[in-house]
Parts: sequence; structure tokens; C-alpha cells
Amino acid sequence: EVQLVQSGAEVKKPGESLKISCKGSGYSFTSYWIGWVRQMPGKGLEWMGIIYPGDSDTRYSPSFQGQVTISADKSISTAYLQWSSLKASDTAMYYCARLLKPDGGGMDVWGQGTTVTVSS
Amino acid sequence: AIQLTQSPSSLSASVGDRVTITCRASQGISSALAWYQQKPGKAPKLLIYDASSLESGVPSRFSGSGSGTDFTLTISSLQPEDFATYYCQQFNNYPLTFGPGTKVDIK
Repeated sequence: EVQLVQSGAEVKKPGESLKISCKGSGYSFTSYWIGWVRQMPGKGLEWMGIIYPGDSDTRYSPSFQGQVTISADKSISTAYLQWSSLKASDTAMYYCARLLKPDGGGMDVWGQGTTVTVSS
Repeated sequence: AIQLTQSPSSLSASVGDRVTITCRASQGISSALAWYQQKPGKAPKLLIYDASSLESGVPSRFSGSGSGTDFTLTISSLQPEDFATYYCQQFNNYPLTFGPGTKVDIK
């Protein structure tokens, strides 16, 4: 079964760092782009960025460039999203998802989501 | 960045109704558009890719059409499990933006 499994919910204080993960299985992890999507409470979907685990080619949305870092470790089929200094406004659900095709098409496999709560 | 608008932002419909949701891009995106369904507390689910291709396992009552700047998602006969929020997403240019969503609820 093709799946993406994300790390568990996190509760952090402003200024703390965080790295959440997304582990792929059931397919060739290095052959598909993996994207990250933010959903703030009660709001819509926001595309944050994407990485190709095969060569770590990464693209960011201008809205998130410099705010987060996307990385991948192909040896363990895992992609990451990290923050160096969290803000309260980072409180959201974060999803990883696989691109159906190299040129996009759609995001066909989604992780279950990781809830991040940032509060003093 | 390419902006996507969706209309309506919400609609009320009955089981069996035909429902149409529109997504408009701020510039031409060929057929590089996907549609998703999201239910509360769940991850989005891909319904349509490349504007009109039905994702495997998705019921045939869902269909997509359009190219360029104007796209449509149609549900031919609304079922109880279809009450959800629907999003479009473009894949023509980075950033791969989403539309704001259309909430479909029960009339």
C-alpha cells in the first residue's frame, strides 16, 4: 500500500525550533516530488513548497521562503519540514502529499497531517 | 503568482442535485488543474487531475472540464457522502496555488 505517515502532534513555545516528518512507503520514494501544505484553523489550503527526494531539488512558495526549510533523507524515505524559530501564527495542520506525476497533475497520496500548536 | 478564484464560496444542495463549482485562474494554465475534496478533520482527497482525468477509485458522478483560465467540477447526482469542501489547485507555475475552497452543505 502506498502511504505517507507523518509524525505526531507537537506543542511548542514561540521561539522554539521544530522538525516534523513524512515517511513514504509502498513506492519508489526518490521518484516522486513531495509537497507540504498548511491549513490554519478553519481556513483553506496553502501550498508551502516541494522537494524531489531523488536529488533534493526544492521549490518554495514566496510566502514561506525563509520561514521554513524543506529537506529529505532518501535513505530512510522521509521528508521533513522544519522551523528555526516558531511563531504563534505557525499554529496549523501541516500535510505532506505526493505529486502524481513529475510535471504535477495532482497530489494523489496525502499524509494524515501533523498538528502544530505554538503557544506561550 | 497565479491566483485561483472559486465560485460559489458555498452552496446548499439536496441529495440527487447536480452541482457545479467553478475555478478561474488569473492567467492561462493549460489543463494543469486538480480538484480535491476535504471533509472535516481529514486530509484532502484527489478527485480530478489534469483538469478532466478521474482519479482511480473516485465515483464517476464526479467530472472535470475546462482549459486555459476557466474550469468546472461537476457532481452529477449529489450523494450524502459528498457534503464537503472542494478545492482546485494549479500545477502550471510555481507556487502551486490552491483556490479558496467551496463548501457544499445540506439544504
